[in-house]
Amino acid sequence: DAGVTQSPTHLIKTRGQQVTLRCSPKSGHDTVSWYQQALGQGPQFIFQYYEEEERQRGNFPDRFSGHQFPNYSSELNVNALLLGDSALYLCASNQYNEQFFGPGTRLTVL
Amino acid sequence: DQQVKQNSPSLSVQEGRISILNCDYTNSMFDYFLWYKKYPAEGPTFLISISSIKDKNEDGRFTVFLNKSAKHLSLHIVPSQPGDSAVYFCAASAHAGKSTFGDGTTLTVKP
Repeated sequence: DAGVTQSPTHLIKTRGQQVTLRCSPKSGHDTVSWYQQALGQGPQFIFQYYEEEERQRGNFPDRFSGHQFPNYSSELNVNALLLGDSALYLCASNQYNEQFFGPGTRLTVL
Repeated sequence: DQQVKQNSPSLSVQEGRISILNCDYTNSMFDYFLWYKKYPAEGPTFLISISSIKDKNEDGRFTVFLNKSAKHLSLHIVPSQPGDSAVYFCAASAHAGKSTFGDGTTLTVKP
């Protein structure tokens, strides 16, 4: 079992660009959540996908969007990048009340 | 408004002693609480959880205590080991919804 995988591991973008991050959930999990973790803070919930639809959303602007595919993998898209979007982006797949996290994608916006 | 707070950014204990990590919350709707451990360059790893219908849950060296009236929970690690050195996050959820995390406590266990 590969667990939750994310790609890429690191990414550098400039302000105004767009970025797509990818996540494959743990085998058998159908729910994927995305979190943003800024330096020195805990993960902040962005949104959750289930059955290819956004089920819950945190307090993030519309520049943050996502998608879930029939195989339950997911993408996080961020448009019009700002310096403040620099963070570790974590994907988690859910089973009951437990979440299993991937290693994250470190995004740096210059 | 931070609904889950970990007021101690860091904690240092001697190997073999008890580590106590604390967490406070404000949302009365939270009904499930979790602790995660995070090493550098890795995602958070689930450690232990507790439902709001219980006041204690134990798993090996790890015990979580929940005091609903005080909206407080704590994680006890005994005995502490150097491999326990990591960042510990407290998280809470309501009705199996999104998890709200604290900002973490960095635990250092000295040999």
